[in-house]
Amino acid sequence: ETGVTQTPRHLVMGMTNKKSLKCEQHLGHNAMYWYKQSAKKPLELMFVYNFKEQTENNSVPSRFSPECPNSSHLFLHLHTLQPEDSALYLCASSQVNQNTEAFFGQGTRLTVV
Amino acid sequence: AQSVAQPEDQVNVAEGNPLTVKCTYSVSGNPYLFWYVQYPNRGLQFLLKYITGDNLVKGSYGFEAEFNKSQTSFHLKKPSALVSDSALYFCAVRDGGLTGGGNKLTFGTGTQLKVEL
Repeated sequence: ETGVTQTPRHLVMGMTNKKSLKCEQHLGHNAMYWYKQSAKKPLELMFVYNFKEQTENNSVPSRFSPECPNSSHLFLHLHTLQPEDSALYLCASSQVNQNTEAFFGQGTRLTVV
Repeated sequence: AQSVAQPEDQVNVAEGNPLTVKCTYSVSGNPYLFWYVQYPNRGLQFLLKYITGDNLVKGSYGFEAEFNKSQTSFHLKKPSALVSDSALYFCAVRDGGLTGGGNKLTFGTGTQLKVEL
């Protein structure tokens, strides 16, 4: 247990559905991240929030919409996804300080049908 | 731009033998380097990091890594491998020369370590 909890662990959704992924951290961190992990590819950084403010949007399609209501919670809202969006979505948190490690949740395995 | 290369998709080693998982990096400023491990259907777990100081860094589960500035490398090592070390290993880098929200962590493609009896 790393202190970062993601729900749900597994999600199957149709291309016309709307769903949300949730991430919660109890580590007192002030930065939160969404990563996408696909087979045979590097982890792709999607979004970065520092002190609840979005500081990075790594050219992510608008069908992915992040929300960070406070420094402990991070959401990823999904709508009209494509099958190629199927992947493991990982949430992480850290202190904003550059020399600190990030702690990851166990991920949400998303399948788009 | 910062980047990480892990040249081996898979490393096979016999239990009890030493292991090395290779990583090279590219940053414009000072590198902050990290190793993570991922077991099946799990998130990434932090193993160790290099920020400054001694080039040999010791981490969890008997792993260590050596920072080599001239070769821009940060190879992960363990003197004696265990079957339970079999997992996916990721190297990552942050550019310490960035300012203003430069906490972006860039990962390599990962190396699958297989330790056999």
